[in-house]
Amino acid sequence: GQNIDQPTEMTATEGAIVQINCTYQTSGFNGLFWYQQHAGEAPTFLSYNVLDGLEEKGRFSSFLSRSKGYSYLLLKELQMKDSASYLCAVSNAGKSTFGDGTTLTVKP
Amino acid sequence: EAQVTQNPRYLITVTGKKLTVTCSQNMNHEYMSWYRQDPGLGLRQIYYSMNVEVTDKGDVPEGYKVSRKEKRNFPLILESPSPNQTSLYFCASSFGYGSEAFFGQGTRLTVV
Repeated sequence: GQNIDQPTEMTATEGAIVQINCTYQTSGFNGLFWYQQHAGEAPTFLSYNVLDGLEEKGRFSSFLSRSKGYSYLLLKELQMKDSASYLCAVSNAGKSTFGDGTTLTVKP
Repeated sequence: EAQVTQNPRYLITVTGKKLTVTCSQNMNHEYMSWYRQDPGLGLRQIYYSMNVEVTDKGDVPEGYKVSRKEKRNFPLILESPSPNQTSLYFCASSFGYGSEAFFGQGTRLTVV
């Protein structure tokens, strides 16, 4: 089976940097997704990591360590619009298993 | 405009009355998937499809059926809905299961 853990809530200040962690224990692994979901809206894709290491995409970066079953999403220069839920999900040959999501609140 | 379209957006129905939620994409994506989302929980995958006529169970398939007769459509069928299927449902599509996924706007289903 799959077990995915991420913090339930985080708070950060506008302009700061925040790191959202995700740990997983899975019976199979192809890659790890990060999605952003604003309240009342559909999720939007942020990143998909297959190999170990850091991938940077503008203000957002995602890191993966397959040997440790660990990933994080790094958000820099936080903006108020970054207040949202962040979902990590493990992909295993078409099957996707999600964590419960981390609700990030950005304060002025 | 590239999009995933779900219908209906909102539905209130009674226990046991068969219903279908449609999902259509115009991006020629091979991979499509259905999820449900309940308060405080992340998404849980119901079924997915790698291509036409190829479907597989996700983590919570009980009480649901799907079909993939054509590439663009992936309907979700509840043959005998029950109150525990009250949820927010999302359809998504992508070129492959490791590609950027595009989500529909969601269908809020209430079964009374």
